[in-house]
Amino acid sequence: DAKTTQPNSMESNEEEPVHLPCNHSTISGTDYIHWYRQLPSQGPEYVIHGLTSNVNNRMASLAIAEDRKSSTLILHRATLRDAAVYYCILRGAFSSNTGKLIFGQGTTLQVKP
Amino acid sequence: ETGVTQTPRHLVMGMTNKKSLKCEQHLGHNAMYWYKQSAKKPLELMFVYNFKEQTENNSVPSRFSPECPNSSHLFLHLHTLQPEDSALYLCASSPLGGAKNTGELFFGEGSRLTVL
Repeated sequence: DAKTTQPNSMESNEEEPVHLPCNHSTISGTDYIHWYRQLPSQGPEYVIHGLTSNVNNRMASLAIAEDRKSSTLILHRATLRDAAVYYCILRGAFSSNTGKLIFGQGTTLQVKP
Repeated sequence: ETGVTQTPRHLVMGMTNKKSLKCEQHLGHNAMYWYKQSAKKPLELMFVYNFKEQTENNSVPSRFSPECPNSSHLFLHLHTLQPEDSALYLCASSPLGGAKNTGELFFGEGSRLTVL
């Protein structure tokens, strides 16, 4: 599986937008970009995923660079409950893997009131 | 509530004990996973089961023994563990295949294991 690189930590103020970057320069054409987050004392939870186009859902937006070598998770208005570790993960097409996800260190997001 | 339930939530055991962790999902998923999360380390994939068959063992020591009797249940049997095995053990499930399959993994809240 191709690797991703994320900053170890970021800080944000409450009610401000947060842009969490992820570099994945060795991404293959069939790799999906997945984002998960892990709140304190909980298991990871799915946030969003995409392939080529930008994606929006109720939790966040995902902006994917045109060359797909980087992406950005956007939280439009950070709340204290968004303080978590955010993981950017590349995942191959379903026909080529068992469904597993390989997690890196992720970015620890602190949200200040 | 993710639909994946892990028991017990906390477990303390001695190095000579035998215990088991249980994971249950009624989401209709056909893939299940065990992950280990040690302090200040990324999640490590341990085992993968697809349709009750083990498809991946990520070089896990034999003192960890998984069992998947059906697609809804996954166990992790523990015996003669070491203190360095103390960690959060997370179970996850996901659907496999299908045009609408996002491949999303659903995680339980984990079982916090302490080995004395």
